[in-house]
Amino acid sequence: RKEVEQDPGPFNVPEGATVAFNCTYSNSASQSFFWYRQDCRKEPKLLMSVYSSGNEDGRFTAQLNRASQYISLLIRDSKLSDSATYLCVVNKGYSTLTFGKGTMLLVSP
Amino acid sequence: EAGVAQSPRYKIIEKRQSVAFWCNPISGHATLYWYQQILGQGPKLLIQFQNNGVVDDSQLPKDRFSAERLKGVDSTLKIQPAKLEDSAVYLCASSSARPTITDTQYFGPGTRLTVL
Repeated sequence: RKEVEQDPGPFNVPEGATVAFNCTYSNSASQSFFWYRQDCRKEPKLLMSVYSSGNEDGRFTAQLNRASQYISLLIRDSKLSDSATYLCVVNKGYSTLTFGKGTMLLVSP
Repeated sequence: EAGVAQSPRYKIIEKRQSVAFWCNPISGHATLYWYQQILGQGPKLLIQFQNNGVVDDSQLPKDRFSAERLKGVDSTLKIQPAKLEDSAVYLCASSSARPTITDTQYFGPGTRLTVL
């Protein structure tokens, strides 16, 4: 089993749609969790951290379920500018990050 | 604040040749990382430095890859000799002086390597 697994994608959605990405991780000792965004031919950038209580940043909501070792990202009211690859990232300790393969999102007019 | 700098941005070499990549982290960031990102995959950590010491190099192919950060600031990653499967984007990242489990890593623009 891979350390971090994500929906394979791509997700094609119209503007204004709500889309959810799922991610599972295998190491129960993982300590912190993130979603990074990567635009085509660009470097990854931190989108948001994920906390057990769930957290929201504008149109983006992240959830963590430690018991199920599951992380999600919900994007509401999708914009064209949301088109990118979303990377699920897990920190096993001492700032060592493990990235999933990423899920590509394409938002169309 | 200046971001993570990398050079060159692109490199094309033939297999069995050598290549070196350079990275300058954000000022004051003690932790530096080198990642390899193959097309269609997420970044994979190759090596992590804390100042000039190696924290994790478990996924670095040491028979051909080497990295150094002699003065605890900028870093060089070398491949010698290169193989076709080394074609990838090599990303450098840095994080703060006292990394924690919630620390944010900031990535440079990467070097896109093509091995022919």
